[in-house]
Amino acid sequence: DTEVTQTPKHLVMGMTNKKSLKCEQHMGHRAMYWYKQKAKKPPELMFVYSYEKLSINESVPSRFSPECPNSSLLNLHLHALQPEDSALYLCASSQESSWDEQFFGPGTRLTVL
Amino acid sequence: GESVGLHLPTLSVQEGDNSIINCAYSNSASDYFIWYKQESGKGPQFIIDIRSNMDKRQGQRVTVLLNKTVKHLSLQIAATQPGDSAVYFCAENGEGVDTGRRALTFGSGTRLQVQP
Repeated sequence: DTEVTQTPKHLVMGMTNKKSLKCEQHMGHRAMYWYKQKAKKPPELMFVYSYEKLSINESVPSRFSPECPNSSLLNLHLHALQPEDSALYLCASSQESSWDEQFFGPGTRLTVL
Repeated sequence: GESVGLHLPTLSVQEGDNSIINCAYSNSASDYFIWYKQESGKGPQFIIDIRSNMDKRQGQRVTVLLNKTVKHLSLQIAATQPGDSAVYFCAENGEGVDTGRRALTFGSGTRLQVQP
């Protein structure tokens, strides 16, 4: 299985809602990533988990809260988001570190009303 | 008027022609470079990579060239097909000058349109 899966595919939420994005991989990778991608822009790194520990937080606002319950799963908890947070949220994984090839999921298209 | 950054640079080629997509990178400490293809509604898909100890690497129908002197990367696609139509991103992997941490940084992207 060489796939990274993400759910849901699309999400619409209000500014007072709490929701979560989920990411899963079964390649035995120990590094997992969240990226944010606005329309017609490149992906921007948000968080990196290495061996289930948060190793990089690219100054992301606290309304985004990542969680890595085990080596196969990565969540992104969302609370009190703003309309400008609407974007494609991409999850990726790699064997051990940022030095390795990253495999991306299809993304969750998030719209904040 | 238009806002800067709303439009991706676009390369339009005829089916069967060769395509060359260029990328300039900024971090002299970057030592690993990757080209990704992103089709509409999908995540980036790895195409080919190159380490800084090489200046050329070939795959199936694709070649990546690296010029470290001028910090330039290019992707050549031979015999371009309609299925190659997508946005192509170069990405550099190296220790950030400010952060000292290794991370992947994407370039701004080029849209390739293949005319049948």
